[in-house]
Amino acid sequence: DTAVSQTPKYLVTQMGNDKSIKCEQNLGHDTMYWYKQDSKKFLKIMFSYNNKELIINETVPNRFSPKSPDKAHLNLHINSLELGDSAVYFCASSQDPTFSYEQYFGPGTRLTVT
Amino acid sequence: AQKVTQAQTEISVVEKEDVTLDCVYETRDTTYYLFWYKQPPSGELVFLIRRNSFDEQNEISGRYSWNFQKSTSSFNFTITASQVVDSAVYFCALKSGGFKTIFGAGTRLFVKA
Repeated sequence: DTAVSQTPKYLVTQMGNDKSIKCEQNLGHDTMYWYKQDSKKFLKIMFSYNNKELIINETVPNRFSPKSPDKAHLNLHINSLELGDSAVYFCASSQDPTFSYEQYFGPGTRLTVT
Repeated sequence: AQKVTQAQTEISVVEKEDVTLDCVYETRDTTYYLFWYKQPPSGELVFLIRRNSFDEQNEISGRYSWNFQKSTSSFNFTITASQVVDSAVYFCALKSGGFKTIFGAGTRLFVKA
């Protein structure tokens, strides 16, 4: 059983389009995250939700909007895609947001904007 | 401010060699947690270990060992008798105060047969 799943795994789209990435976790965790990993493998936090409440909102373009319908799901919607949005996007979850808990990551979604 | 430095961008070793991946962190908090994650070529990120700031005991898990030294703000990771399957990018991470985990830039390890 997959603990943290993301769909789709690959996403190829043109500039200007709007796309969504979905994430689900079956670990019973309270906290979920979105990370962006660039071509140099650098991992940067974008957003985090704890029990459907936004707790981390990093400086990202407002074209990116997370949505958490329940604590097991965290989706990422991206409007007006740009070339620079090409990256791997990872969803993750942890038991709670305090600092003692490790994160469990999904398989990643490789987004390519052409 | 919190920071994690992994100065080694890439390391290449031959199978069965021992290799140490360095991690230096910065934080003003007295309570914090350190982590190591592995990202194999398949792309997923896998949790390896968590260590809190009050526990400086070294840890060994099979061929993996971790050396935590608060005096030098380091949390180094050693793989003994490396294998080709150890080839991956390894990330050190820090969580202290607040909700964010700060990741280092990663060290890419190549293990050649």
